[in-house]
Amino acid sequence: GESVGLHLPTLSVQEGDNSIINCAYSNSASDYFIWYKQESGKGPQFIIDIRSNMDKRQGQRVTVLLNKTVKHLSLQIAATQPGDSAVYFCAGPQVRGSGGGADGLTFGKGTHLIIQP
Amino acid sequence: NAGVTQTPKFRVLKTGQSMTLLCAQDMNHEYMYWYRQDPGMGLRLIHYSVGEGTTAKGEVPDGYNVSRLKKQNFLLGLESAAPSQTSVYFCASSIRTSPRDTQYFGPGTRLTVL
Repeated sequence: GESVGLHLPTLSVQEGDNSIINCAYSNSASDYFIWYKQESGKGPQFIIDIRSNMDKRQGQRVTVLLNKTVKHLSLQIAATQPGDSAVYFCAGPQVRGSGGGADGLTFGKGTHLIIQP
Repeated sequence: NAGVTQTPKFRVLKTGQSMTLLCAQDMNHEYMYWYRQDPGMGLRLIHYSVGEGTTAKGEVPDGYNVSRLKKQNFLLGLESAAPSQTSVYFCASSIRTSPRDTQYFGPGTRLTVL
């Protein structure tokens, strides 16, 4: 089955700086990854996704990079703002046959992004 | 559109009590999911449903039951609550079950079992 994990439970950055949140995955056959943002007291919110046939995808102030060679992806947030303070999760497909055969998502443990003024 | 809503927002139970969490979505999504989130952990899938009248087990189904009698509602039941079920529960829905389809999450239900 798939497992995804984040490298750091907490990341502290200065307001205005760029943030980089990392994630590793185990299943080289995984073909799709998603980043979610979870603010305090709320449910996860979709940020950006990337398919395995891409190395990079850009959104508004966010970029996701995928390195299939080392099974690693990262979320880059440009010019970090106070509103970016949240827990960020990477998620990948849950392979059928593991965990009860669900076709859902496997989530990493999350990185708490803290913005310092 | 309200999106995905969950009731209640908070609940405290005693060991052995039962309760039902309600999830509702107004996006006409086929698929619905129940996850639990524990401190320092990612979300783990409990049960899911691929359509009205169908349910299936996820990663951590023991101690929970679900029902999908109406397309817009997905109920999660605890027949005999245990302290290990203290968690935050999230419901999600998506158009289809492929991970490529974005899952939309509700605000969560914080459950404490004493």
